[in-house]
Amino acid sequence: AQSVSQHNHHVILSEAASLELGCNYSYGGTVNLFWYVQYPGQHLQLLLKYFSGDPLVKGIKGFEAEFIKSKFSFNLRKPSVQWSDTAEYFCAVPPLGPGAGSYQLTFGKGTKLSVIP
Amino acid sequence: EAGVVQSPRYKIIEKKQPVAFWCNPISGHNTLYWYRQNLGQGPELLIRYENEEAVDDSQLPKDRFSAERLKGVDSTLKIQPAELGDSAVYLCASSPLADYNEQFFGPGTRLTVL
Repeated sequence: AQSVSQHNHHVILSEAASLELGCNYSYGGTVNLFWYVQYPGQHLQLLLKYFSGDPLVKGIKGFEAEFIKSKFSFNLRKPSVQWSDTAEYFCAVPPLGPGAGSYQLTFGKGTKLSVIP
Repeated sequence: EAGVVQSPRYKIIEKKQPVAFWCNPISGHNTLYWYRQNLGQGPELLIRYENEEAVDDSQLPKDRFSAERLKGVDSTLKIQPAELGDSAVYLCASSPLADYNEQFFGPGTRLTVL
């Protein structure tokens, strides 16, 4: 079964610093990848997703993620964070490859980002 | 467009008591998911519905958990009896189709079992 690892539990940055959150998955075939975000007091919402094509995916609010197949990684990046980016970020993948008959998502444990003004 | 609605938002009960959570998905979404999110963890799927049919309930602890989705719209998740370890946030999500596209999440119900 697919597994997802998020390496950082809590990241603290000052405003304008650059951000990179790590995400690694275990399945080696064709894969769909997602980043979800949960702002304080709000529900989970999709930040960006990768299905195929350009491995550099752009999402909302200036976030992007790069799919590197050789490294089984889908790291989330933002060149300059803002205080409003304070949230918890979850990487997610289907537990098996597409076409395997399972449509749930396996989530990582999440990375809490705190941005200091 | 209204999002996924869940109620109650918070629930505190004593162990061995029953509890139920309700979810109203986005209109027209055929697929409904219940997830459990423990503190410091990501959401974990409990059950997935396609319309009124439970098509994936392998992660649902069937000795005490039950769920239903009558008429393929609203859904309820029940725990009876609740145990201390059931304290978590219970999330409902829906999507238009059972594919790898976006799942839309509700605000969740935070359950505390004393």
